[in-house]
Formats: sequence, structure tokens, C-alpha cells
Amino acid sequence: KAGVTQTPRYLIKTRGQQVTLSCSPISGHRSVSWYQQTPGQGLQFLFEYFSETQRNKGNFPGRFSGRQFSNSRSEMNVSTLELGDSALYLCASSAGAFGQRNQETQYFGPGTRLLVL
Amino acid sequence: AQTVTQSQPEMSVQEAETVTLSCTYDTSESDYYLFWYKQPPSRQMILVIRQEAYKQQNATENRFSVNFQKAAKSFSLKISDSQLGDAAMYFCARPATSGTYKYIFGTGTRLKVLA
Repeated sequence: KAGVTQTPRYLIKTRGQQVTLSCSPISGHRSVSWYQQTPGQGLQFLFEYFSETQRNKGNFPGRFSGRQFSNSRSEMNVSTLELGDSALYLCASSAGAFGQRNQETQYFGPGTRLLVL
Repeated sequence: AQTVTQSQPEMSVQEAETVTLSCTYDTSESDYYLFWYKQPPSRQMILVIRQEAYKQQNATENRFSVNFQKAAKSFSLKISDSQLGDAAMYFCARPATSGTYKYIFGTGTRLKVLA
């Protein structure tokens, strides 16, 4: 089975621009979660999508948004980029079955490294 | 509170030796999973090992094993016969059961393997 894939792997943007990152989950997985990883803040949860609906959302401003398509692929968008948005953005997929929230196993993609200048 | 605590920011181990990374957590659930993830420098985060809390037997994956103490809410990772490729950041994690999180992660332990 193919793992989680993310594109692009690297991005350089300037302040004020917007960016779209893509994630393809493991085949059969319906849940996709996004995380921001920085040296100072560690791993921070952005949001989770399941069956094209946002199921969970972390404490990030509205500039961070996402969506999920019918094939479970997900995109996240960051508008009006700030220097502080420079980070590694990780996508993780899981089966996402309801009622088993504390038993879900997530598998991570390689990440997209975003640099904002 | 939902917390996962890794008290060792950095550890070193000699090649071929054994090292144990510590993790404690907080939960009111009785049935849950716990995970150790490995993230080598500039590389992908991969799942190392998973423990199912209802199983009393400690999980083992080749050179990696856990010491799971459910009552003490302790979940340590033991790496035997350490190899240079084991050098990485190791994160302990568990699924969140409430709030706006998917997983609760520890702050990580950076493992250095000395040749």
C-alpha cells in the first residue's frame, strides 16, 4: 500500500502571498489531519477532515483553511502569509472510524517545508 | 487535562548499547492507544511502535520495545542494539479524547547515537 504523499515538498513564498498544500492519504483512509511543526512550538494540530467535512479544528487563525475531496485527498490553504508561517506542514491519515477516536493510528506524510520571506 | 510529557529533551547512546526514552501521560480513559514516532533530521515521521492499553503485554517491534505501566500512566521506549540510523527525534503520542486536538504529542526526545 502506498503511504501518505504530500506535494510540493518545498515552497518559498513571500509575505502576503497565499499557498496551497496537497495531501493524498493512504488508500482506504478517510481521515486527514494537518499539523504545523516548528522548532519553537513543536507539533501543533491545525484541523482534521473526514468524509469531506471538517471534524476538528485547532487554534489557528482563519487564514488557515482546508478542504477534502470525495477521494479523501485534502488541501490546506494559507492566505496572507506571514514570516511566522514558515514551518514544516505535516499531513497524517487514519481510517477515521467513528466511536474509536482514542484508538486511531495516524500515518504521516513526508511534509511540505514552507519558507516565507 | 490531556498531557503527554517527555522529560528528556536529549539522550545519547553508544552504538550497540541500549537506551530507554521516557514518557508519561494523563488520561481518564481505560481503553486507548499509545504511540512512539521517530522523525530523523529532515525526514518523514514514522510510526515506531503502538501499544493498546487493554493489552497487558508490552508491544515489541524488532529492536524496539515498550515498558507500559498503565496504573502509573508510563510508556517508555527501549531501543536495543542501537544503530546510527536510530538517531532522530522521538515523539510519544496518544489520541485526544476531547477538545480541539487529534493527537496529544510530547515535546520530543532527541536521540544521538555515538559511534
